[in-house]
Order: sequence, then C-alpha cells, then structure tokens
Amino acid sequence: QKEVEQDPGPLSVPEGAIVSLNCTYSNSAFQYFMWYRQYSRKGPELLMYTYSSGNKEDGRFTAQVDKSSKYISLFIRDSQPSDSATYLCAMSSTSGTYKYIFGTGTRLKVLA
Amino acid sequence: GAVVSQHPSWVICKSGTSVKIECRSLDFQATTMFWYRQFPKQSLMLMATSNEGSKATYEQGVEKDKFLINHASLTLSTLTVTSAHPEDSSFYICSARDVPNSQSYEQYFGPGTRLTVT
Repeated sequence: QKEVEQDPGPLSVPEGAIVSLNCTYSNSAFQYFMWYRQYSRKGPELLMYTYSSGNKEDGRFTAQVDKSSKYISLFIRDSQPSDSATYLCAMSSTSGTYKYIFGTGTRLKVLA
Repeated sequence: GAVVSQHPSWVICKSGTSVKIECRSLDFQATTMFWYRQFPKQSLMLMATSNEGSKATYEQGVEKDKFLINHASLTLSTLTVTSAHPEDSSFYICSARDVPNSQSYEQYFGPGTRLTVT
C-alpha cells in the first residue's frame, strides 16, 4: 500500500463547476498537508497548506483535512479553464528532514 | 521572496556522458535541498536529501554512484547524472528549505530540468 493515494484522473468538468480532489494516506505521523498545482513541464506551485486537521479557505480554493479518516480534500469553486493542470497532494511529518510524500497527482481539465 | 532556480531548464545529452544540473536558492539560504524525479504523467519521487556540507541521503532504490549530489554552499546544490542512459530521461526538480526558519515544513520548488538522453 502506498503511503499516499490519489486518483490520477483525468477529471473533466465544465467551466464554473465545483471540483473536488482527494487524497488518502496511511501514515498517522503526517501533520502537514499541502496541495500543489503543476502545469505541464513546470515545477509545482503551492496552492494551499494545512497543519493538522481542519479547513482552510483562500479565494476559490478550500482545503480540508480529516485526520481521523486520513483523508484530505481540495475544493475549487467556479472552476476556470486556466485551472486545467495536475493537482498533487503532499504530506510531511514534523520530524526528521520534513521530507514530502507526494500523491500521484490528478489531471484536471476544465472545459470552456 | 523564496525563489529557487534550476539550470539548465532542458538538456539533451548522448548516452554514456554525464550531465550536471544546478539548483540555487536566490534570495534565501537553504541548509537542506531535495532532489526529485518525475516521469511523464507520474508524481514527484524523492531521490535524495542534500544537506550543506555533508553527504546526501539517498532514498531506497536510488543509485548514489550514478546520481552524484553536492551541496557545497547554502545556496547551491548540484545533481550530476553519470553515464546517462535513455532510461534516465526524466524531469528533475529540486526544492529548498529556508535556514532562518529551520523548523518550517515548507519547501520551495524550482522550475525543473528536463533531461533527454539520446
């Protein structure tokens, strides 16, 4: 079993839709939870991060962490064609080198 | 702030040759840098953790004699792919952690280097 599981998609939605992206994990030591957006052949760009459990909102993006279920989500409201990219979740514990474990990424396509 | 650059952005080399990729933190000092590899339509896989002034720590399955990492200063780490083969063709991405805030979880990512071995 992988430490972090993420549906690779692709996920196609019409413009304006609410998008839900999810990851599950197995390591209960993870405390930091990040969502990155990556365009083709570019480095990942940090969208949201959450420490421990709870919700966090930033503009059209909302991140949720449910540590009891080992489940994290990213919601994108009013999706736009420019949101078309691969979305990667990443997680880290608070010990050692804080190395990140990434999910496989979900490819999202928002249709105009 | 917190910008990480990589050079080159794209390199083509012949099989059997070596190629060096640089990772620089432009506006902060980084005691720790990370090197990732990403194959097409796959996720980022951590290859090694690079600490300034000490030997890199490689992840299981990564050949340390093939992927040489040098972190000689607080702003520069290099990855050298030795005796490259076509199967080494990939997207290599580095990231860095900020020294003054050494308890911070956050890594700042570079734009990546595309390596093509012919």
